[in-house]
Amino acid sequence: QKEVEQNSGPLSVPEGAIASLNCTYSDRGSQSFFWYRQYSGKSPELIMFIYSNGDKEDGRFTAQLNKASQYVSLLIRDSQPSDSATYLCAVNGGSSNTGKLIFGQGTTLQVKP
Amino acid sequence: DGGITQSPKYLFRKEGQNVTLSCEQNLNHDAMYWYRQDPGQGLRLIYYSHIVNDFQKGDIAEGYSVSREKKESFPLTVTSAQKNPTAFYLCASSIVSTLNQPQHFGDGTRLSIL
Repeated sequence: QKEVEQNSGPLSVPEGAIASLNCTYSDRGSQSFFWYRQYSGKSPELIMFIYSNGDKEDGRFTAQLNKASQYVSLLIRDSQPSDSATYLCAVNGGSSNTGKLIFGQGTTLQVKP
Repeated sequence: DGGITQSPKYLFRKEGQNVTLSCEQNLNHDAMYWYRQDPGQGLRLIYYSHIVNDFQKGDIAEGYSVSREKKESFPLTVTSAQKNPTAFYLCASSIVSTLNQPQHFGDGTRLSIL
């Protein structure tokens, strides 16, 4: 079992719709969760982070964390073609507490005009 | 402007050659990291450093070496022992090495074999 799992996609949504990206993790000791956006050929850019169970909203983005079920999700409201990118979920190194991040393979989002 | 600078943007390695990738940050961050990304894959940790003159192996350290002589700098050497070096190399840094701090990335270096 991979430590951080994401559906590679592509996830295709029409412009203006809500895009829902999901991520599951295996280490129950994990406490910090990050979402990065990576455009093709570019480096990852931090868009959200969440530490506590529940929802965290920032503009059109909402991160949701459920530690009991070991999943974290990212919702993008009013999706725009410029949101088309690969979204990487990253989880801190769990019980080892070294600051190391474990990355999922990413989900490719396509927003169609 | 504060940030993380990686150079060069593109690098080509000949057979048997060692090459060094530069990573410099002026964010006054304590921790620095090197990742490798292969096409369609997530990031894999090569080495990390939480403090000057100290660094730790990540998950795929074989064939790589690093140094951390200054807080601002964390160069990565890809040695001839790394048989499959073609990848996108990303340097990241964070304020402190504890678990709640996000990592921020440089623009990356693309390494290819000649």
